Amino acid sequence: DTAVSQTPKYLVTQMGNDKSIKCEQNLGHDTMYWYKQDSKKFLKIMFSYNNKELIINETVPNRFSPKSPDKAHLNLHINSLELGDSAVYFCASSLGQGIYEQFFGPGTRLTVL
Amino acid sequence: GENVEQHPSTLSVQEGDSAVIKCTYSDSASNYFPWYKQELGKRPQLIIDIRSNVGEKKDQRIAVTLNKTAKHFSLHITETQPEDSAVYFCAASIMSQFYFGTGTSLTVIP
Repeated sequence: DTAVSQTPKYLVTQMGNDKSIKCEQNLGHDTMYWYKQDSKKFLKIMFSYNNKELIINETVPNRFSPKSPDKAHLNLHINSLELGDSAVYFCASSLGQGIYEQFFGPGTRLTVL
Repeated sequence: GENVEQHPSTLSVQEGDSAVIKCTYSDSASNYFPWYKQELGKRPQLIIDIRSNVGEKKDQRIAVTLNKTAKHFSLHITETQPEDSAVYFCAASIMSQFYFGTGTSLTVIP
């Protein structure tokens, strides 16, 4: 009955590989997000989707491509992984845009070797 | 875009004392200000939030104040306990864009 879930929890891979992280929410929320938290704990929004439509795409390299097959899922695919992509990636969801509490997933720790 | 600054970056208090964390924002269109607590290795979790039409909100030992004119908001924790030790993030939101502060690592010394 987890509200926001992500898989995998840990991801260790070589530079240049392509990998995906999956996110699912069972809260019936309309809006989903991806955040990157670097080694200094700084949380930065990457993407925001509302009803499967991209709302925000912050200055993220185009190697990162989100996909939302339906309202409950927002996956993140990363091509040609680089060392600097190593971070914890959090998925989150909220009832709607802007003024609603965000519920975060448990995070995916990505390590690029 | 919005710029959120948070101070201090680290804070140590004795158990039972109060802790105050301050944030400033730059965009007057920001209208929602949540505070998140993140324990080590865990996900951020909302502890309190305030909307731009409210000046103050309290929930037991936690309170948040908002000064729209000065564009700053603060988190106040009273009667701190060791389990309050964590990293606290403020954020400011415009529509779906959330901008987080750089975090405050709070340590409550028993």
